[in-house]
Amino acid sequence: SQTIHQWPATLVQPVGSPLSLECTVEGTSNPNLYWYRQAAGRGLQLLFYSIGIDQISSEVPQNLSASRPQDRQFILSSKKLLLSDSGFYLCAWSVSSPQRGFNSPLHFGNGTRLTVT
Amino acid sequence: TQLLEQSPQFLSIQEGENLTVYCNSSSVFSSLQWYRQEPGEGPVLLVTVVTGGEVKKLKRLTFQFGDARKDSSLHITAAQTGDTGLYLCAGAYSGAGSYQLTFGKGTKLSVIP
Repeated sequence: SQTIHQWPATLVQPVGSPLSLECTVEGTSNPNLYWYRQAAGRGLQLLFYSIGIDQISSEVPQNLSASRPQDRQFILSSKKLLLSDSGFYLCAWSVSSPQRGFNSPLHFGNGTRLTVT
Repeated sequence: TQLLEQSPQFLSIQEGENLTVYCNSSSVFSSLQWYRQEPGEGPVLLVTVVTGGEVKKLKRLTFQFGDARKDSSLHITAAQTGDTGLYLCAGAYSGAGSYQLTFGKGTKLSVIP
């Protein structure tokens, strides 16, 4: 069966410090991978998605970046955190299949609660 | 940008009551998904509806996709405390090279024993 691991679960970082959140998927090959941010009252905001190794699309301009060095590994990074980066970050994967298209469900990790102080 | 409006934003009911939450848009979606999220966890898929007018049942939960594929509803019969959580709808739309869903802001349901 497929599993998704996301860590750490919680993180408190000072303003200006770097960030690295990691997500790995097991039990599937060539998944689509996603980073979302969930802020209170604002729903889920898509930050990045990837259809393959080193193929990253950014949805919103920000001081965050994403990388996919391996097929089932997705990393969210920042060189200098801002207070506004605080939030709940969710990694997700979906099946990559042109036939299923957008009907493929997203499978989420348990998230990282980031507090920037 | 496709927007999904969910209502109500908050709902608090007694155990055993029925409820309906709504997901509305002015855009047409190729499919719509419903997720439930518990505090400190990621959303979990409940159902995907694809065809206009489609009705799907998952035990006490009934999901309906509008005929025009612009809206959906979730009806829970005889709510239980285990139904407590944030219910999110997400609409998928066609777009060359686009692999994303548009999420609503969710309905936060509290079922009181």
